[in-house]
Amino acid sequence: NAGVTQTPKFQVLKTGQSMTLQCAQDMNHNSMYWYRQDPGMGLRLIYYSASEGTTDKGEVPNGYNVSRLNKREFSLRLESAAPSQTSVYFCASSPRGGGLGRMNTEAFFGQGTRLTVV
Amino acid sequence: AQTVTQSQPEMSVQEAETVTLSCTYDTSESNYYLFWYKQPPSRQMILVIRQEAYKQQNATENRFSVNFQKAAKSFSLKISDSQLGDTAMYFCAPGSSNYGGATNKLIFGTGTLLAVQP
Repeated sequence: NAGVTQTPKFQVLKTGQSMTLQCAQDMNHNSMYWYRQDPGMGLRLIYYSASEGTTDKGEVPNGYNVSRLNKREFSLRLESAAPSQTSVYFCASSPRGGGLGRMNTEAFFGQGTRLTVV
Repeated sequence: AQTVTQSQPEMSVQEAETVTLSCTYDTSESNYYLFWYKQPPSRQMILVIRQEAYKQQNATENRFSVNFQKAAKSFSLKISDSQLGDTAMYFCAPGSSNYGGATNKLIFGTGTLLAVQP
């Protein structure tokens, strides 16, 4: 009964370092998402993948890249970390991949990754 | 683009009393879902309730109910008989079916921090 699994749960990086946040879901969902959560800002969408093989930018994509490795996995990469990327990162997945009439976009979330860039 | 406004950054309620959290949004879509998510101190995002925009009847889920006013684009959450375990950040999230393509995703408000006092 894993759902959405994110690794790592905590990470401290130095400015300029790179790292990849991993996300995997076992619910056979089509869509996957990366959000960041900052105080007073709510959750903001970084990138999303409507289906395997596709990725698109969200509200705040600068400084990030993503890979939809297969249907289960969606990774987020910081090529050169900056202090402004200090945040809590959430991966989510949802069953629907698009098309009018398929509106049940309930998202299932991982437990989050707290990333600090110093 | 969709926008979501939660105008109450913080609220407090006494145990066993009722509290209403407000949410307004802007969308050009006619059919969509709306969600309320809860985030307790554990950081886990938990779905509280969902509403289908084409249904006039307000959704209820045990002590949680919504007041959905489609024309006014308002989607408030009422918590009855508040419990200490309801202490959390609450996010309103309309689902979008058309963001840069045929995909579904959630746009989150900035959240309301609810404190239930004993």
